[in-house]
Amino acid sequence: QKEVEQDPGPLSVPEGAIVSLNCTYSNSAFQYFMWYRQYSRKGPELLMYTYSSGNKEDGRFTAQVDKSSKYISLFIRDSQPSDSATYLCAMSGAAGNKLTFGGGTRVLVKP
Amino acid sequence: DTEVTQTPKHLVMGMTNKKSLKCEQHMGHRAMYWYKQKAKKPPELMFVYSYEKLSINESVPSRFSPECPNSSLLNLHLHALQPEDSALYLCASSRGDGYTFGSGTRLTVV
Repeated sequence: QKEVEQDPGPLSVPEGAIVSLNCTYSNSAFQYFMWYRQYSRKGPELLMYTYSSGNKEDGRFTAQVDKSSKYISLFIRDSQPSDSATYLCAMSGAAGNKLTFGGGTRVLVKP
Repeated sequence: DTEVTQTPKHLVMGMTNKKSLKCEQHMGHRAMYWYKQKAKKPPELMFVYSYEKLSINESVPSRFSPECPNSSLLNLHLHALQPEDSALYLCASSRGDGYTFGSGTRLTVV
């Protein structure tokens, strides 16, 4: 069993819809949780960074962490075709330590 | 400056060649990383440098040799690579509140 599980998709939604992404993990030592967006042939771009449990909002993006369930989510409101990319969840047990990635979810937002 | 800059962007090398990948950041981050990413897979950690000292080596073959000359620079020296080493090589840096990745070097070994 992988430490971090993420549905590979693809997830196809119409423009303007809410995109809902999630990851589950097994290592209770994880405390730092991140979401990255990666376009084809580019490096990952940090979207959201969360420490421990709770919600965080930044523009159209909302990240949720539920440590009791070992479950994290990312919601993208008012999705745009430019949001079409692969979204990777990542987590670590200590700041600056090794990142463990989920497998990535490919998202396609159709005009 | 909030970027991690990697050069070159593309590299084709033969199995007997020696080449180097370079990574630079001026954000004052004291942790720097090398990751390898194959197509449709997540990045895999290779090395971690913390305060210019190698702190993690994920059992990477010796044909990959990292170097951290100073707090802003990270190199990855390549020698006698195999075709299966072809991948996107990503550099990242962190100060603890998220990891900033470069755009990567797309390496092809022929």
